[in-house]
Amino acid sequence: KQEVTQIPAALSVPEGENLVLNCSFTDSAIYNLQWFRQDPGKGLTSLLLIQSSQREQTSGRLNASLDKSSGRSTLYIAASQPGDSATYLCAVRRGSQGNLIFGKGTKLSVKP
Amino acid sequence: GAGVSQSPRYKVAKRGQDVALRCDPISGHVSLFWYQQALGQGPEFLTYFQNEAQLDKSGLPSDRFFAERPEGSVSTLKIQRTQQEDSAVYLCASSPGGIPNQPQHFGDGTRLSIL
Repeated sequence: KQEVTQIPAALSVPEGENLVLNCSFTDSAIYNLQWFRQDPGKGLTSLLLIQSSQREQTSGRLNASLDKSSGRSTLYIAASQPGDSATYLCAVRRGSQGNLIFGKGTKLSVKP
Repeated sequence: GAGVSQSPRYKVAKRGQDVALRCDPISGHVSLFWYQQALGQGPEFLTYFQNEAQLDKSGLPSDRFFAERPEGSVSTLKIQRTQQEDSAVYLCASSPGGIPNQPQHFGDGTRLSIL
């Protein structure tokens, strides 16, 4: 059974710092991996999607990497801002039309 | 609208009542998913539709949970004889389907509180 783990559970950093969020999964047979952002009381916003054949994806200040063989992904946030404060969720997809399996998320707080 | 729309946003019900939660996916999206998110947890899969066909309902926690998508667009998640452990946020997501590696787009969810 696929399990997704995210560490740390919570992180507080001063504005301007670069930071890394970690995600690990137990079964390397994934179709893709997706990073989401969730603001309080809101749904999930897709940030980056990495196909199983890819090593990384970048969008603005965000960079996500994938090492499928070791079951790991990282989300790198450069020059963090208070507006980045949210919960970040990692999810893996089993097949091309399958559901997502989520971690519990990392709650990020960026202090001005 | 352009995104996934869920209604109601909040629902309070007494234990034992039946509730119905609605999801309007993005127009033209073939795939529709329901997830349940407990406080402080990641979303957990409930069920999946491709058009009107319910292809996977393995995540439904009991036979009190029922979902339908009769015309392949709007979907309804129904919970019968609600219990306190049903309190959670119910999220709906849609994706185009048939196109590899398309992200799932989520609605804002329905927050269900069972008293």
